[in-house]
Amino acid sequence: DAGVIQSPRHEVTEMGQEVTLRCKPISGHDYLFWYRQTMMRGLELLIYFNNNVPIDDSGMPEDRFSAKMPNASFSTLKIQPSEPRDSAVYFCASSRSGSDKNIQYFGAGTRLSVL
Amino acid sequence: AQSVAQPEDQVNVAEGNPLTVKCTYSVSGNPYLFWYVQYPNRGLQFLLKYITGDNLVKGSYGFEAEFNKSQTSFHLKKPSALVSDSALYFCAALVLNTGFQKLVFGTGTRLLVSP
Repeated sequence: DAGVIQSPRHEVTEMGQEVTLRCKPISGHDYLFWYRQTMMRGLELLIYFNNNVPIDDSGMPEDRFSAKMPNASFSTLKIQPSEPRDSAVYFCASSRSGSDKNIQYFGAGTRLSVL
Repeated sequence: AQSVAQPEDQVNVAEGNPLTVKCTYSVSGNPYLFWYVQYPNRGLQFLLKYITGDNLVKGSYGFEAEFNKSQTSFHLKKPSALVSDSALYFCAALVLNTGFQKLVFGTGTRLLVSP
């Protein structure tokens, strides 16, 4: 299995631009998570999906952030408009229902720099 | 608030010596606890988990963790450290928040194993 695949690995953009981060979960996994990692705040859960449906988006910082999961093999996290304080590493993770539901498999992350 | 604390930003140990990375938790009910490791430019990888049962949990790469309910701790240990163990280690707990279960991570501890 290829694991969780995220793209791009690095993104540099200017303030005000739209940014779209992409994630392909592990095949057969029905949970998908988006996290943000910064030095100041550590690892924060932004949103998670179960069977493509958003379950808990209480971690989404504000309306500039949105996430979608149109099918079981693809999800996006969009920031519009982007701001310098959005600079962070964004991780996608997936897991499978059952006894191992809480063992999450992480992608390599997208390092976002907003200038 | 339910949380996980990792009191040490960094742990230094010589190769071949035993290592301990500390974690304490504050959660409601029976704790579900996890350790993850993050290598440079990579996503987090699952190491081990405690759900119930034996207080000593064995995981990947020779790591183990000791659950201590009276001290609300879940310290990560390894009898003999390797240089390749150098990485960022995260303790996590499953918490119930706003009606949803989610993993809450500690701030991470950087382990540096010297040759």
